[in-house]
Amino acid sequence: GESVGLHLPTLSVQEGDNSIINCAYSNSASDYFIWYKQESGKGPQFIIDIRSNMDKRQGQRVTVLLNKTVKHLSLQIAATQPGDSAVYFCAENPPSYKYIFGTGTRLKVLA
Amino acid sequence: DVKVTQSSRYLVKRTGEKVFLECVQDMDHENMFWYRQDPGLGLRLIYFSYDVKMKEKGDIPEGYSVSREKKERFSLILESASTNQTSMYLCASRGTGGNEQYFGPGTRLTVT
Repeated sequence: GESVGLHLPTLSVQEGDNSIINCAYSNSASDYFIWYKQESGKGPQFIIDIRSNMDKRQGQRVTVLLNKTVKHLSLQIAATQPGDSAVYFCAENPPSYKYIFGTGTRLKVLA
Repeated sequence: DVKVTQSSRYLVKRTGEKVFLECVQDMDHENMFWYRQDPGLGLRLIYFSYDVKMKEKGDIPEGYSVSREKKERFSLILESASTNQTSMYLCASRGTGGNEQYFGPGTRLTVT
């Protein structure tokens, strides 16, 4: 099985409820942020991104909020579905080619 | 749609073997990356390439080398595999001027 999810914090939500996943980033110079979804046995999949000159960005059923004051990023998923069950992690991109990745949160959707 | 493919999904090798992991992208991206992913840790950068034959060490290059002979292909080489290199290996690519990285499906390598 997929071992990347071991030792991760887990968020359990009822199907249909909204989910909020949080991430603290480390570099105040980071100017671009991404949320990824990783299902068991698969590579990370891009969900949504945001630049540092914005504090909110909306996609289909997902919203990313950026609070630069406290270096905090959150991902909100509306009307969570069973297919949303996965590990979610954030990434920050300081002005360089490097990315800094969070360790992730496992989202479990309860039927 | 960007496609990043990796040569194997699962690989089992013996200690001391030379291991090649291949990655191919079809979007003419200049930048390609190799990461490893381990439980409880975020993705860690092994090597980065910003052009053909150009490479830079990432955060954990020890025990690894890379090859970029063609723009679309980036290979990760384990010269002499060790058990602590058992991990999930992820390749990614990114175009110049873009920020988003596109990942491959990963190769789960077990070294026994």
